[in-house]
Amino acid sequence: AQSVTQLGSHVSVSEGALVLLRCNYSSSVPPYLFWYVQYPNQGLQLLLKYTSAATLVKGINGFEAEFKKSETSFHLTKPSAHMSDAAEYFCAVSPTGRRALTFGSGTRLQVQP
Amino acid sequence: ETGVTQSPTHLIKTRGQQVTLRCSSQSGHNTVSWYQQALGQGPQFIFQYYREEENGRGNFPPRFSGLQFPNYSSELNVNALELDDSALYLCASSLGDGSTDTQYFGPGTRLTVL
Repeated sequence: AQSVTQLGSHVSVSEGALVLLRCNYSSSVPPYLFWYVQYPNQGLQLLLKYTSAATLVKGINGFEAEFKKSETSFHLTKPSAHMSDAAEYFCAVSPTGRRALTFGSGTRLQVQP
Repeated sequence: ETGVTQSPTHLIKTRGQQVTLRCSSQSGHNTVSWYQQALGQGPQFIFQYYREEENGRGNFPPRFSGLQFPNYSSELNVNALELDDSALYLCASSLGDGSTDTQYFGPGTRLTVL
């Protein structure tokens, strides 16, 4: 069985500051890992995905994430926050890339001017 | 190329009623997955359809059922609605034929049960 833990339900940063959203996973098989973003009253948009190729994954809007097997982590980072990054972010795991996604409870990112 | 669309956008029902939600998959996608997202929580997997057959189911009771049509669009049916069924229902489509298919989500249907 797979599970995802997102540490910090709310994260607040200043515009231009580093964004770090934490995700730890549990999986009995090598996992596929995803980060999705959800803007208010919208569906989920894929930011990036890890599929056992490079451990550092670059996504859209300047986000990236690093897969660390020893720490069972897949933290999301962005060097410089922008006001438009304010949204809810979800980490998800799947035993394959094709089947059900198991999501974390989400982290709401606030960006202060 | 059109993305995933869902209808209706919003829906209000009363306890005990039945509801049908609809999803049109992205062009060329043969797999549809449905998720329930309660307020303040992450989405939870309901079930997946691949080429008109159920291809996996989450921990939801049988009153949650689905269909996938030959054009790969899909329906989610919920019978005997309960207050806890109030949620955003998300549909996601994917190609279904690769090992690392990305699931593309629609905007969701917000269901309120009174």
